[in-house]
Amino acid sequence: DTVLTQSPGTLSLSPGERATLSCRASQTVSSAFLAWYQQKPGQAPRLLIYDASTRATAIPDRFSGSGSGTDFTLTISRLEPEDFALYYCQQYGASPWTFGQGTKVEIK
Amino acid sequence: EVQLVQSGAEIKKPGESLKISCKASGYIFTTYFIAWVRQMPDKGLEWLGIIYPGNSDTRYSPSFQGQVTFSADKSTSTAYLHWPSLKASDSAIYYCARPGVPKNYYSGLDVWGQGTTVTVSS
Repeated sequence: DTVLTQSPGTLSLSPGERATLSCRASQTVSSAFLAWYQQKPGQAPRLLIYDASTRATAIPDRFSGSGSGTDFTLTISRLEPEDFALYYCQQYGASPWTFGQGTKVEIK
Repeated sequence: EVQLVQSGAEIKKPGESLKISCKASGYIFTTYFIAWVRQMPDKGLEWLGIIYPGNSDTRYSPSFQGQVTFSADKSTSTAYLHWPSLKASDSAIYYCARPGVPKNYYSGLDVWGQGTTVTVSS
């Protein structure tokens, strides 16, 4: 299985700051088939980025994804109050699909 | 509007069977895969597997193979997740979700159900 390791576990930042979240895979993610999701308490995950760098429908452009091979990054250029949440990466290039353990972005 | 609406919360005893549902609307049910994802209490996300309602082709994660069964009813646009015999460790929130690309599961999951909470306790 492809293990995804997210870092850091928790990111403490203030609104307006830049957030950089990392997702490292234990093996190459085929065709950059990697997605990022946001999850808030009591809600289902929401797709932010797919194919490593393509924003999903209606996702603000302050969210961007990059990377290839085994190293991927989600960047939130300027944190808005509604961005404080849990973020997961997921690979869908090899079965079984796997998720990272999550990064919590919290208000400093 | 594209939607996945899941059945309500369940409380069951160990050894009992259970089938939860995920009703699709707003798109052609038979042309998109449906994935099932587990989230144990205060834990991360785990992929159980995926089903293509068009022909009921299924792929299971090895971790869940033999533990659960997926099915789909084209006449009601509903996907199902079935446990023949529940264990306490099956207690979790279960989500159904749809990839963003038709006839293809190499895609992020862009539509999610609201989740079904399953509690298994004696």
